[in-house]
Amino acid sequence: EAGVAQSPRYKIIEKRQSVAFWCNPISGHATLYWYQQILGQGPKLLIQFQNNGVVDDSQLPKDRFSAERLKGVDSTLKIQPAKLEDSAVYLCASIPSNTGELFFGEGSRLTVL
Amino acid sequence: AQSVAQPEDQVNVAEGNPLTVKCTYSVSGNPYLFWYVQYPNRGLQFLLKYITGDNLVKGSYGFEAEFNKSQTSFHLKKPSALVSDSALYFCAVRDNTGGFKTIFGAGTRLFVKA
Repeated sequence: EAGVAQSPRYKIIEKRQSVAFWCNPISGHATLYWYQQILGQGPKLLIQFQNNGVVDDSQLPKDRFSAERLKGVDSTLKIQPAKLEDSAVYLCASIPSNTGELFFGEGSRLTVL
Repeated sequence: AQSVAQPEDQVNVAEGNPLTVKCTYSVSGNPYLFWYVQYPNRGLQFLLKYITGDNLVKGSYGFEAEFNKSQTSFHLKKPSALVSDSALYFCAVRDNTGGFKTIFGAGTRLFVKA
């Protein structure tokens, strides 16, 4: 079974530039999460999708972050414009059911200079 | 509001000794609880979960956790620590009352000394 795929693995940009991260969850997993993990901290939930609908985006900084999950499969997280404090690993995860554990991708590490 | 607390930033234990990593939670309704481990420069790996049933849950690598509803706790335990258990451990809680939002604690770094 293929795992959660994320790309790119690493990205370095200047502040005020834009960046996009892509996630393809495990086939059949309806629920998809994006988390932000700053070094040494716990993952912070940014947005949760159920199929192609947003379930929770209360922690998403909507002035600069956006996410979509067209067709209910893969998802894209965008940051525009980036700030220094956005430097983090962006993790995508999916679950097979409401009682299932999260399956995480390897993450996309963003460095904003 | 849903929350998870891991009161210890770091836990130090000698190899062969039992270890405990603490977690308390707050959630509406009955919680779904999880433990994950993260090694340096690696992704998050699932260890175990509590959904319902027996309060003592066994998981990967000899780890277990005890669900205590009255104390709203889900502490991770292992009878005999290994140096290779040294890593960052995260507790997570899912709200099962509708949104199934899953949030994580700040993490506890476990250091096992040989």
